[in-house]
Amino acid sequence: GQNIDQPTEMTATEGAIVQINCTYQTSGFNGLFWYQQHAGEAPTFLSYNVLDGLEEKGRFSSFLSRSKGYSYLLLKELQMKDSASYLCAVIGAGSYQLTFGKGTKLSVIP
Amino acid sequence: DSGVTQTPKHLITATGQRVTLRCSPRSGDLSVYWYQQSLDQGLQFLIQYYNGEERAKGNILERFSAQQFPDLHSELNLSSLELGDSALYFCASSVVSLASTDTQYFGPGTRLTVL
Repeated sequence: GQNIDQPTEMTATEGAIVQINCTYQTSGFNGLFWYQQHAGEAPTFLSYNVLDGLEEKGRFSSFLSRSKGYSYLLLKELQMKDSASYLCAVIGAGSYQLTFGKGTKLSVIP
Repeated sequence: DSGVTQTPKHLITATGQRVTLRCSPRSGDLSVYWYQQSLDQGLQFLIQYYNGEERAKGNILERFSAQQFPDLHSELNLSSLELGDSALYFCASSVVSLASTDTQYFGPGTRLTVL
């Protein structure tokens, strides 16, 4: 089976940097995704990691350590519109389905 | 806008009834996935189709079924509805399913309320 853990909620200040952690235990591993989801809306793709290291994409970066079963999403220069849930999802080896964590609700305050 | 469309946007029905949710994938995508999202469970994978054939099954109840048609649109049928089936139902699509790392793009969802 697969188990994915993320903090339930986080609060950060506009303009600051926030790191959202995700730990996973899976039977095999074939990649980790981060999605952003505003309340009542569709998840939107942010990043994908399959090899160890940091992937940078504008204000968003994602890091993966396969040996530790650990990833984080780093959001820089926070804006009010970044208030949303951030979902960590894993694909196990030989699997086609995404297994999602329950998401981290980020609130950005002025 | 991801390019994935879902109808209807909202659906309100009674216990015991049957409903059909519809999804059209992005142009060129062959694979369709269905997910259920309830407040306490998060996003749960239900089922995947690739080019008309069932490819993977997740936590889908026997009361639920799906299919993908030759034009690649998909329908999720929910029957004998219960209060606990109230949730957001998302469809996602990707280019191919053979590479399990294909990015999935999500539609806007259908909010189902069972009274």
